[in-house]
Amino acid sequence: TQLLEQSPQFLSIQEGENLTVYCNSSSVFSSLQWYRQEPGEGPVLLVTVVTGGEVKKLKRLTFQFGDARKDSSLHITAAQPGDTGLYLCAGANGQNFVFGPGTRLSVLP
Amino acid sequence: DAGVTQSPTHLIKTRGQQVTLRCSPKSGHDTVSWYQQALGQGPQFIFQYYEEEERQRGNFPDRFSGHQFPNYSSELNVNALLLGDSALYLCASSLYGRVYTGELFFGEGSRLTVL
Repeated sequence: TQLLEQSPQFLSIQEGENLTVYCNSSSVFSSLQWYRQEPGEGPVLLVTVVTGGEVKKLKRLTFQFGDARKDSSLHITAAQPGDTGLYLCAGANGQNFVFGPGTRLSVLP
Repeated sequence: DAGVTQSPTHLIKTRGQQVTLRCSPKSGHDTVSWYQQALGQGPQFIFQYYEEEERQRGNFPDRFSGHQFPNYSSELNVNALLLGDSALYLCASSLYGRVYTGELFFGEGSRLTVL
């Protein structure tokens, strides 16, 4: 069974701070996705990474896929209250994805 | 262009009852996957439907069943409800074989409470 772990589980920071959240597994994934989920809504895809060592940037968000394709990180620069939400990583498993438990981020103004 | 729509948004059932949840995929998508998200956890894969057949299934009992219609919409049925079935049920649509490109779109979910 492929499992994904995410850390930290909870994170509360002040507006303007930088942060990094992590997604780790003992399994190799052919691709990995990051989602953000807000209360009462479904997850929204942020990025898909496919190649080991790949780095993708989405405005203030930087995503990295580990060289061995077992782990990933999400770095947010100058966090804003609008970044508040549950950040989920998901690894490809056939035609679907295995999700981690998420990191719940709260950015205080 | 309508996204993924799910109904109902909220419902309350009692133990032992049965429930049916519905999903219409994003326009142009042909595959529907269902996920269960318990409070404070990530989504857990239930099963996936493509061409009206169950293509992949997660670790869920037979009480969980589904169906896909010719118009690609889908239903999730849960029989003999247990308290532990209380969760947000998410539907995700995609194009079969295109999951790796990132085309996985979620609906807002159906919040099921079992009393």
